Amino acid sequence: DGGITQSPKYLFRKEGQNVTLSCEQNLNHDAMYWYRQDPGQGLRLIYYSQIVNDFQKGDIAEGYSVSREKKESFPLTVTSAQKNPTAFYLCASSIVGRGLGNEQFFGPGTRLTVL
Amino acid sequence: KNEVEQSPQNLTAQEGEFITINCSYSVGISALHWLQQHPGGGIVSLFMLSSGKKKHGRLIATINIQEKHSSLHITASHPRDSAVYICAVRGGSEKLVFGKGTKLTVNP
Repeated sequence: DGGITQSPKYLFRKEGQNVTLSCEQNLNHDAMYWYRQDPGQGLRLIYYSQIVNDFQKGDIAEGYSVSREKKESFPLTVTSAQKNPTAFYLCASSIVGRGLGNEQFFGPGTRLTVL
Repeated sequence: KNEVEQSPQNLTAQEGEFITINCSYSVGISALHWLQQHPGGGIVSLFMLSSGKKKHGRLIATINIQEKHSSLHITASHPRDSAVYICAVRGGSEKLVFGKGTKLTVNP
């Protein structure tokens, strides 16, 4: 089945440790996105990529890093520089262009808790 | 100030009731999305629209571009409709701007 997978579903880390969240898609989508969701707030864009080996900062990129070495994969690293990393992280993908705005398909999310 | 405002923030209904969730936005957009987030966290896209009205089963989405307003209606609501409904708009870029969501609880 086509879709987006994120792993793990729950992740616990000690303060000061870097952690990498996985996102894989087999939808053949060019664009991929990482969002952060906090209670009572809308989703906020961390990073996005519209093509392999290229990515752009979103609204809250500080303390995060990404790579896009393959079309199917867009891992997110939460670094020790991120001041408040505990949150729900969602990955999404879409086709690119077309003007009207393309439907984004979301993964199941990873809930990160930093102890 | 958030560019996308949803109302109400929370909504409780009895099974069978007609539900309306509203979304207002302050910027020019190319498309508006309605999303559904289940308690487990997964998000599903319900509608993407740029004008008029779309219907899928018991769900109806409308948009008024001049008034910068969209509504999501659920007819004959059911407990399985309980979820958070999120409005998101796309401006000139590929990026979406999200509302904070409306938490719907439908009681049997």
